[in-house]
Amino acid sequence: SQTIHQWPATLVQPVGSPLSLECTVEGTSNPNLYWYRQAAGRGLQLLFYSVGIGQISSEVPQNLSASRPQDRQFILSSKKLLLSDSGFYLCARATETNTEAFFGQGTRLTVV
Amino acid sequence: DAKTTQPPSMDCAEGRAANLPCNHSTISGNEYVYWYRQIHSQGPQYIIHGLKNNETNEMASLIITEDRKSSTLILPHATLRDTAVYYCIVRSPGTYKYIFGTGTRLKVLA
Repeated sequence: SQTIHQWPATLVQPVGSPLSLECTVEGTSNPNLYWYRQAAGRGLQLLFYSVGIGQISSEVPQNLSASRPQDRQFILSSKKLLLSDSGFYLCARATETNTEAFFGQGTRLTVV
Repeated sequence: DAKTTQPPSMDCAEGRAANLPCNHSTISGNEYVYWYRQIHSQGPQYIIHGLKNNETNEMASLIITEDRKSSTLILPHATLRDTAVYYCIVRSPGTYKYIFGTGTRLKVLA
């Protein structure tokens, strides 16, 4: 199974508030995990990826951080949201052979 | 990873074949061509990938030119549900990242 659980599906948060988005995956152990963001009408931007517990690579310096406290759990956080953090956040995992990536259904975040 | 170039948008009549082109002129020998699609408000969905031979699965066919500098994704009988943004990306199995461009917005017309 390549099932990816993301929640919530939609979220409205005020500027300056904290954020925590959780992603859990099923399937083989030690998957490569990813966080992407898609601003309205834009392409997919890779934010973070992780190849193991506690290992986080950041692609774009910004107001967000990621953590991987457990093998199948990937968390995206912010201490203080900005208006520009609004977007569609997607969690993904690669297959065991790292030949394909599967995506969750995403969280649509609106910062007001 | 090599960059790809795709037309921003295309239309296709329902029931006809949709042929989506992708240029990847700087592709290196160990990089695969991948295709994903994203239906509105959903996560991207894997379609197909290939190295140098043509590939076919239940969703689509992938035709890669002999010099590997371009490829075409073929949806043989497009339906309204195939309306989506289609992304062509190239990457090698040894890299961790999947980098998406802006894709082609395919609209299937009734």
